[in-house]
Amino acid sequence: DAGITQSPRHKVTETGTPVTLRCHQTENHRYMYWYRQDPGHGLRLIHYSYGVKDTDKGEVSDGYSVSRSKTEDFLLTLESATSSQTSVYFCAISESVTDTQYFGPGTRLTVL
Amino acid sequence: GESVGLHLPTLSVQEGDNSIINCAYSNSASDYFIWYKQESGKGPQFIIDIRSNMDKRQGQRVTVLLNKTVKHLSLQIAATQPGDSAVYFCADHPYTGKLIFGQGTTLQVKP
Repeated sequence: DAGITQSPRHKVTETGTPVTLRCHQTENHRYMYWYRQDPGHGLRLIHYSYGVKDTDKGEVSDGYSVSRSKTEDFLLTLESATSSQTSVYFCAISESVTDTQYFGPGTRLTVL
Repeated sequence: GESVGLHLPTLSVQEGDNSIINCAYSNSASDYFIWYKQESGKGPQFIIDIRSNMDKRQGQRVTVLLNKTVKHLSLQIAATQPGDSAVYFCADHPYTGKLIFGQGTTLQVKP
């Protein structure tokens, strides 16, 4: 998985609670991405980062925030989790915006 | 908006046969495409990519063909093996970092 780890790998939480997912890379790539994968929708971009403290929204950013204080870590936060955010979340990295993206192993999140 | 679609949600092939997975895209300006393989419970894994200045690119047992005239690309897997069983995605890479993924084709390999 190209030097990418995600934690936790599985999480069950309740509606209304905050949740933070972590992506950690050892490749020193500048770009990091958060995707969600749902049946019938494929992979959709939530947020991405083009450097420390530099982030931008993707296709489905509502209800999510991100932070990147170090090159190697990209955090995805659900401020108040809802059942519609039950999904599998993948982190990806790339050296530049025009390069191939490599994906992590994923986090399965269930919001009850 | 732009879209990427796969022709068949499921493809079943006999072990040892060749597999062909198709993908169509809508944006005639699209220039770079990536194929990913996703095994159950894992993240998408890069297989091969192709840019629009090429019609064909080969890797180990895989070949990607790009037909810009009809906005179609295909992934060919030679001598399909049980380990090839997975979901295959094509993705349009518009150089913005915002990949556009197709829905995926599930490849089932029969022994």
